[in-house]
Amino acid sequence: DIQMTQSPASLSASVGETVTITCRASENIYSYLAWYQQKQGKSPQLLVYNAKTLAEGVPSRFSGSGSGTQFSLKINSLQPEDFGSYYCQHHYGTPLTFGAGTKLELK
Amino acid sequence: EVQLQQSGPELVKPGASVKISCKTSGYTFTEYTMHWVKQSHGKSLEWIGGINPNNGGTSYNQKFKGKATLTVDKSSSTAYMELRSLTSEDSAVYYCARGSLLGHWYFDVWGAGTTVTVSS
Repeated sequence: DIQMTQSPASLSASVGETVTITCRASENIYSYLAWYQQKQGKSPQLLVYNAKTLAEGVPSRFSGSGSGTQFSLKINSLQPEDFGSYYCQHHYGTPLTFGAGTKLELK
Repeated sequence: EVQLQQSGPELVKPGASVKISCKTSGYTFTEYTMHWVKQSHGKSLEWIGGINPNNGGTSYNQKFKGKATLTVDKSSSTAYMELRSLTSEDSAVYYCARGSLLGHWYFDVWGAGTTVTVSS
């Protein structure tokens, strides 16, 4: 199975800051990488797929990059609604696997 | 509006089985695959498997083979997941999530989740 390693596990930031979350795959997944946001008690919401394509309705302050084994999600000018947990998921083959998550908290 | 409406919370005894549902609306059921994802309390997400509503073809995570069975009812645009021989390790929130028909699955729409609690 492909292992997805996210860092950091947690992150404190203030409104208006820019943050970056990284995800490393244990093998080459080309650009088959998705990012999700999950708020407490809610289901995950798709942010990015194919490493850099924003899902419908996702604000442009979110951006994804990377290919191969190294990926990142950047959030510019953090807004109050951006705080929560973020997960990466490879969609190269099966089994699909997720990273352990990054919890983004308000400083 | 695309919606995946999941059945309510379940409290089940160890060793029993449970079948949870995911009723879809707002899109053509057979134009997407349906997947199930497990989230244990406070933990990350695990892909259980997916099903093609057109032909009932399934793809399972090896970890969940023998534990989960995925089915669909095209007449009601509803997907189902049955979990058997339940233990405390199966206590979790289970999400249904929509994927494409073409593979390389990511999930653009999710249900609200069904909480399964296994306890005597």
